[in-house]
Order: sequence, then C-alpha cells, then structure tokens
Amino acid sequence: DGGITQSPKYLFRKEGQNVTLSCEQNLNHDAMYWYRQDPGQGLRLIYYSQIVNDFQKGDIAEGYSVSREKKESFPLTVTSAQQNPTAFYLCASSTRDRALSGNTIYFGEGSWLTVV
Amino acid sequence: QKEVEQNSGPLSVPEGAIASLNCTYSDRGSQSFFWYRQYSGKSPELIMFIYSNGDKEDGRFTAQLNKASQYVSLLIRDSQPSDSATYLCAVNLAGFQKLVFGTGTRLLVSP
Repeated sequence: DGGITQSPKYLFRKEGQNVTLSCEQNLNHDAMYWYRQDPGQGLRLIYYSQIVNDFQKGDIAEGYSVSREKKESFPLTVTSAQQNPTAFYLCASSTRDRALSGNTIYFGEGSWLTVV
Repeated sequence: QKEVEQNSGPLSVPEGAIASLNCTYSDRGSQSFFWYRQYSGKSPELIMFIYSNGDKEDGRFTAQLNKASQYVSLLIRDSQPSDSATYLCAVNLAGFQKLVFGTGTRLLVSP
C-alpha cells in the first residue's frame, strides 16, 4: 500500500545525544516536510524539501538537520543543540506539480520523542 | 497577527447537530485551504480542500471559502460522537509550497 512510514514511533533521547527520525514514502511525491507538534499546539514547520538534494529551513529549524539523498527518504536529525526536543514529530509529503494552486499534504503516523 | 487563526474551543454540540468550525487567515494572496482532522495522539488526516470562493460539499462535510473576508469554515452535518477531534485549518500561502496550520479547534460531540 502507498503511504508514508515513520520510525521509530517512540524514541527516548538522553541529554546531549543526537537522534535521527526516519521518514520513507512510496507515493512518488516530490516534496517532503517535517513538522513538530507540541501538546495542545498547532503544527510548526521544521524543514521542507521540494526536490532531491535540496531543502529549505522552515520556521523552527534551529537544532535540527535533514538530508534528501533519495526521493523516497527525508530523515530528520534532532541534535543536542535543540534545547527542548520533546514533541510529536510529523513527516509529510505532497505532489509538486500543483505548487501554484496548492499542494495537498499527507502525513505519516508520527514519532514521539521524549528527552530523558 | 497570526497567519492562520482558529478558536481553540472546545466547541460542544449534541449528536445530530451541525458543527461549524471557523478559520481566518492574514495573507490575502493565499490560494488554497485545507481542513484536517486529528484524533488525540494521532497524525492529521485530510478531510477536504477548497480553492474557489463558495461552498464545496463532500458527504457530511461542507467547506466554505470567502476570500474577500479571508475566512474559511467547515460545517459538519449530523455530527457524530466519532467526529470528536481537533480540526486543523491549513493555508497554502501565495508562492509557497508549505502549508501554515492554525492551532486547531477541538470539537466535542455528545451522544
């Protein structure tokens, strides 16, 4: 089945540790995104990529890094520089060819990251 | 002013009633508008999108867009307890591929 797969679903990070969240999609979508959601809050954009080997910072990119070496994959690394990383992380993807009239974004199931 | 604003709620309606969820946006050039439903602890799922002024119906859901007033709404007819969730409004800002999300409105449908 086509979809967006995030792993792991739950992750615990120790202080000072980097962790990487995986995101894979088989929808043949060009664009991929990472959002962060804090309890009771909306979604905030961390990074997005419109095409392979290219990505842009979103609104809260500090302390995060990404790569886009393959169309299907857009991993997110939460570095030790991210002061408050405990949150729900959502990966999403969309088609690119309707950019001017809007892209419909579809989400993976999310990853819960907790600092211990 | 926030780019996309929603009342956080909760909005409480009895089963069978019409629930009306509202969203305003600041960028007059915004071109497309989306409604997502998010159950607690789950990821958002797309309900519907709208690009043109007026109404768009899909089953029990109707999206309404008024670009002049910078206002988009979602009506849920015959509300069911299973509709209880947080509803996120998202706007595709002009010239950008990213969506900007509101903080969501929590809907509670009582049996």
